[in-house]
Amino acid sequence: NAGVIQTPRHKVTGKGQEATLWCEPISGHSAVFWYRQTIVQGLEFLTYFRNQAPIDDSGMPKERFSAQMPNQSHSTLKIQSTQPQDSAVYLCASSFHWGAASYEQYFGPGTRLTVL
Amino acid sequence: QEKVQQSPESLIVPEGAMVSLNCSFSDSASQSIWWYQQHPGKGPKALISIFSNGNKKEGRLTVYLNRASLHVSLHIKDSQPSDSAVYLCAVMNTEGADRLTFGKGTQLIIQP
Repeated sequence: NAGVIQTPRHKVTGKGQEATLWCEPISGHSAVFWYRQTIVQGLEFLTYFRNQAPIDDSGMPKERFSAQMPNQSHSTLKIQSTQPQDSAVYLCASSFHWGAASYEQYFGPGTRLTVL
Repeated sequence: QEKVQQSPESLIVPEGAMVSLNCSFSDSASQSIWWYQQHPGKGPKALISIFSNGNKKEGRLTVYLNRASLHVSLHIKDSQPSDSAVYLCAVMNTEGADRLTFGKGTQLIIQP
């Protein structure tokens, strides 16, 4: 089991450019989460898919950020017109989901995005 | 909106010491509380979780939850240099809302 895979591990973009981050969840996990981690804000929830359907995007900035899960084996987070304040480590996590039970979220290594 | 606060921000202890980390949260209806460990350049890794009032022990780890005081603590017995990491407290909210709300973490350094 390779765990959650995130690519690229590092990405540098210029201000105003687009960035696309990829996540491959653990096989068999039906829930996929995106979080963002900075020194100042800590680890913050962005969005969540269950069985590929968007469930909760309450943490997503309303402009410029979008996430998709076109199939059960990958999810993407796209940031348009990147700004320096978007610089962060973007973490993807996956878990089982069944009923109302709480399951462990397994995190990937993250993608460090630097916007110059 | 759930708020999670951790203390202390950082902690340095000698190898073999008992470590105690604290976390307070704002919503008494929170479904479960998780402790994650994060090493530099890595994603967080779950260590232990607790759902009911009381305590739970796994190996060198013990977690105590008091829902009335909205407080949870993690205790690491016989600390090792490999335990040096950031420890994150995370709260999973009400049923169906599976997102985790994290505290800002405690940086733990175990000195050999």
